[in-house]
Order: sequence, then C-alpha cells, then structure tokens
Amino acid sequence: GNSVTQMEGPVTLSEEAFLTINCTYTATGYPSLFWYVQYPGEGLQLLLKATKADDKGSNKGFEATYRKETTSFHLEKGSVQVSDSAVYFCALSPVHASGGSYIPTFGRGTSLIVHP
Amino acid sequence: DTGVSQDPRHKITKRGQNVTFRCDPISEHNRLYWYRQTLGQGPEFLTYFQNEAQLEKSRLLSDRFSAERPKGSFSTLEIQRTEQGDSAMYLCASSSGTGVTNEKLFFGSGTQLSVL
Repeated sequence: GNSVTQMEGPVTLSEEAFLTINCTYTATGYPSLFWYVQYPGEGLQLLLKATKADDKGSNKGFEATYRKETTSFHLEKGSVQVSDSAVYFCALSPVHASGGSYIPTFGRGTSLIVHP
Repeated sequence: DTGVSQDPRHKITKRGQNVTFRCDPISEHNRLYWYRQTLGQGPEFLTYFQNEAQLEKSRLLSDRFSAERPKGSFSTLEIQRTEQGDSAMYLCASSSGTGVTNEKLFFGSGTQLSVL
C-alpha cells in the first residue's frame, strides 16, 4: 500500500536557521507529492507540490524536490522565521492511468518550533 | 470562495450517544473527503465522495460510521453509539479534481469530538 514517513518532531530552531524536514514515501504508480502546513487553530493548507520526478515545488521560501531514485520529498527553507512555527505534513496522491484509488495519504506530521 | 466550513467546531458527548457532523465544501468542488486526525498523527482517510456518490470507504471505518452527500453539495458524517476511541478531530476536505489526477485538497478547520 501507499505510505509516507516523516521525521519525528518537534524540530526546534532559532530564527534564520536552515530547515530540513525529511519525507520518504512508498507508492505504486507515479504519485504526486505534497507538503501541507497546519498553523495553530487552523486547517491544513497546501504549501507546495510536485507532480513528477525531478520537479521542484516552492512557495514562501520553502522548497522540495521530487526524488524518485530515493523516493524522497524533503522540505527545506534557508532561513526560518517565528511565523513558520506550525505542523508540516508530507502527503502523496497516486496517479493512475485508469482505475485505482487516488486518495491522498498523509504522513504523521512534523512540528516546527522557531524561537526568536 | 468562502472555504470549507465544518460544524460544529467542538462536540462533547457521552459514550453511546449518536453524533452528526456537517461539512460544506467549496461550492464548485466535486470531490469531498472525510479524514480523522488524532493527536500527533496525520490525517487518516475515512471516506470519499465524487459528487453524490460515495466511491471509497476505509476498511477502518466501522459500521457505526455513515456518511452522506445528498445532491453532491454538503456532507454529513454520523457516528452511532460513540465510543471513547472515537475521540478525534474529524476533518473534511474538498477538491475540484478531474480525470486521473488529484488536485490539492482544501481543508476545513475540523470538528473536535470528545467522547466521555
């Protein structure tokens, strides 16, 4: 079956530090990959996505590259801010030529805490 | 675009009672998903609708759970004879996916269920 594995949190950083949150996946077919972010008291919202191998998704200074050879989609940001404190979820959505489920599967989430 | 709304935000009930949650998706979205999220975990898939048709249900979904989406608009999720293990955040999401690809999901803020 499909699964997503994320590094355990919390990840605690000082402002302006470099961020990496690891994500690896197992899937049949050729999934699309996503990072969602959940700020305190809010619903999940899409941060970025990539739909094929070697694609790089980016948004708000965050980046992630779809690495098919290592089945990974690690999230990075060069300089984090206090406002980036949130829970980050890696997700995959299978893409099938015909039939098959494409229900999105989520990782368990990684909490990021950024201190001033 | 008013976003995905869920009602109520919080529900406290006694074990054995029935509860019903409502989700109003973004109006033009044809796909609607229910997920469940417990503390420290990612969203876990429950069921999925395309328009008014319920196309997939998780094997984890017991017979006490039922969902409807009459006329392909809002959806309701009912839990009968609630148990303490049902305590969780129930998330609704919608999307306008077409064909074989799956677009990003738009999430509501969730309904937090506490079963005493």
